[in-house]
Amino acid sequence: GIQVEQSPPDLILQEGANSTLRCNFSDSVNNLQWFHQNPWGQLINLFYIPSGTKQNGRLSATTVATERYSLLYISSSQTTDSGVYFCAVEEETSGSRLTFGEGTQLTVNP
Amino acid sequence: IAGITQAPTSQILAAGRRMTLRCTQDMRHNAMYWYRQDLGLGLRLIHYSNTAGTTGKGEVPDGYSVSRANTDDFPLTLASAVPSQTSVYFCASAGTSGRKQFFGPGTRLTVL
Repeated sequence: GIQVEQSPPDLILQEGANSTLRCNFSDSVNNLQWFHQNPWGQLINLFYIPSGTKQNGRLSATTVATERYSLLYISSSQTTDSGVYFCAVEEETSGSRLTFGEGTQLTVNP
Repeated sequence: IAGITQAPTSQILAAGRRMTLRCTQDMRHNAMYWYRQDLGLGLRLIHYSNTAGTTGKGEVPDGYSVSRANTDDFPLTLASAVPSQTSVYFCASAGTSGRKQFFGPGTRLTVL
């Protein structure tokens, strides 16, 4: 099956800093999604981004499908950004199956 | 109801018992999914349904069954629970297969 690798595994920031999270995948995909899991365990869909660039407030994401990677940018980080960020992909041959990466644990300190 | 609800929130279960985790969505989404989340293993797909009346197996389907009698409900059944099924279970839905997925709050299940 498809392999999804996220980096870095852990990241600690001071409030106000910017960061870039990376997701590499090993095969062609139909779609790619970014999720944030907050410290209470809730999973929030940040972006549905099979290709191109999208922005939502302080967050933006870019997927370069031909090079098999996606980037999630967090600008002016806040303590509420803390949690785990997951990248998930749907392999072209999988038919509806999302495969998740292991996530990036982000801690934003005040 | 707004979005996806799951019940129960948490449960402690004796090994060998039967358990059904409930999932209901009110967004009229066609596709629904069950995942389990374990430390160090991330989120893994158990079963999915692209539309009412159809189901499919995910990455880790053994020991679990699902049904999709209508659009809104997608229950997950453990016929005879085992300790390795201790996990947090998430239900998700999407407007159509392959589109943006929305997650429920999760059910924390402990099998002793």
